[in-house]
Amino acid sequence: DIQMTQSPSSVSASVGDRVTITCRASQGIGNYLAWYQQKPGKAPKLLIYAASSLQGGVPSRFSGSGSGTTFTLTISSLQPEDFATYYCQQSATFPITFGQGTRLGIK
Amino acid sequence: QVQLQESGPGLVKPSQTLSLTCPVSGGSLRSGSYFWNWIRQPAGKGLEWIGRIFISGNTNYNPSLKSRVTISVDTSKNQFSLKLSSVTAADTAVYYCAREAVDADGGFDYWGQGMLVTVSS
Repeated sequence: DIQMTQSPSSVSASVGDRVTITCRASQGIGNYLAWYQQKPGKAPKLLIYAASSLQGGVPSRFSGSGSGTTFTLTISSLQPEDFATYYCQQSATFPITFGQGTRLGIK
Repeated sequence: QVQLQESGPGLVKPSQTLSLTCPVSGGSLRSGSYFWNWIRQPAGKGLEWIGRIFISGNTNYNPSLKSRVTISVDTSKNQFSLKLSSVTAADTAVYYCAREAVDADGGFDYWGQGMLVTVSS
């Protein structure tokens, strides 16, 4: 299985801050990488697919980059509604696997 | 607007079979443009992909669960289903159904609200 490792596991930030989350794959996955936002008691919400494509309806302050084994999710200016847990996910090979999550909290 | 919603028993006894269905509204399973997935999340933990099905009936399963999992599709009811046999307490989780576009290079774009299934006697 491909292991997806996110860093940091948790981060505290303030409204207006720029935040970057990194996801590393244990082997190359091309651009088969998606990012999700999950709030307590809710299903994950797709933010980014194909490593850098913004899902429809997602604010442009979210962006993704990377290919191969290292990927990043950047939130350019944090808004109050962005405090949540973020997951990366690869679909290059089976089984599809997720990162362990990054909890983004309020400083 | 596509909607998915998990349904089934919220409590299953150990060694029995967990059965969930996911009716799809606002879109047809017959479209052939999507995979239909099951994903689960134990309380306070991360996400685990269980498996998926295509309209042709072709399935892919997580090897860690493959011996116990069956995913099927019923086009007459526009829904797909999950069966997980010989359950234990470790199978207690919120179970999600989700759609994945065939040509989108990854990403589950629509999810059900999730259903908590508890395995307990």
